[in-house]
Amino acid sequence: AQTVTQSQPEMSVQEAETVTLSCTYDTSESDYYLFWYKQPPSRQMILVIRQEAYKQQNATENRFSVNFQKAAKSFSLKISDSQLGDAAMYFCAYRSANYFGNEKLTFGTGTRLTIIP
Amino acid sequence: GAGVSQSPRYKVAKRGQDVALRCDPISGHVSLFWYQQALGQGPEFLTYFQNEAQLDKSGLPSDRFFAERPEGSVSTLKIQRTQQEDSAVYLCASSRLSFSQETQYFGPGTRLLVL
Repeated sequence: AQTVTQSQPEMSVQEAETVTLSCTYDTSESDYYLFWYKQPPSRQMILVIRQEAYKQQNATENRFSVNFQKAAKSFSLKISDSQLGDAAMYFCAYRSANYFGNEKLTFGTGTRLTIIP
Repeated sequence: GAGVSQSPRYKVAKRGQDVALRCDPISGHVSLFWYQQALGQGPEFLTYFQNEAQLDKSGLPSDRFFAERPEGSVSTLKIQRTQQEDSAVYLCASSRLSFSQETQYFGPGTRLLVL
C-alpha cells in the first residue's frame, strides 16, 4: 500500500517571501501521479499542481513549483511571492497510474500554511 | 460550468439515526469518489464509481456505510445507525473520464456531527 507523509503540521511565511512544503511517499510502483491540493477554510479542495512520475521536468504553475526527486520519493511544493490568499491547508496526494481499480487518491495529513502580513 | 455540489453542507444526527448525503458531480463526469476527512486529518478514500458501477468500495469502514449512483450521475452516501466516530467531513469528487489521468474535482463537503 502507498503512504504519503507530510512532516510539517504547520508552516508560516512572510507575505511576498518564499516557502517550501515537504512531502515524502512510499510506493513500489514505477508509474504514478503526485498532486498538491489546497484546502482553504471553506473546505473546497482545489488542485494546485500535479506531476507525472515519468516526467523528469518539475511541474510549475505560476508562483507554484515542485521539486520532484523520484529516487528519494520526495515531492516538495515551493510557493514564491506568498500572498494572503495562499493561507490554507495543503495536502500532498498520490495516485497510481495502474488505472484498473486504483484511481483513488492517497493523501498526507496536511500542512497548515499561515501568511504573515 | 458548475462544480461539484454536495448537500446538506451540515448535518447533525443523534447516535443511531440514519443519514443520507448527496453528491452532484460535474455534468458528464464519469468517475465519482467519496472520501472521509476526520478533523485535522487528510481525506481517506471510501468508494469509487464509474458511471453507475461501484468499482471499489474497499474504504467503506463498516457495513453501515452504503453508497449508490443508480443513474450514473447523482450519488448518495448513506450511513445507518450513526456512531460518534462517524463524525467527519464527507467529500465527493468527480473526474471526466475513467482509467485516465484526469484530475479529480472536489465538492465543498458535508460536515456530519453525530451526538
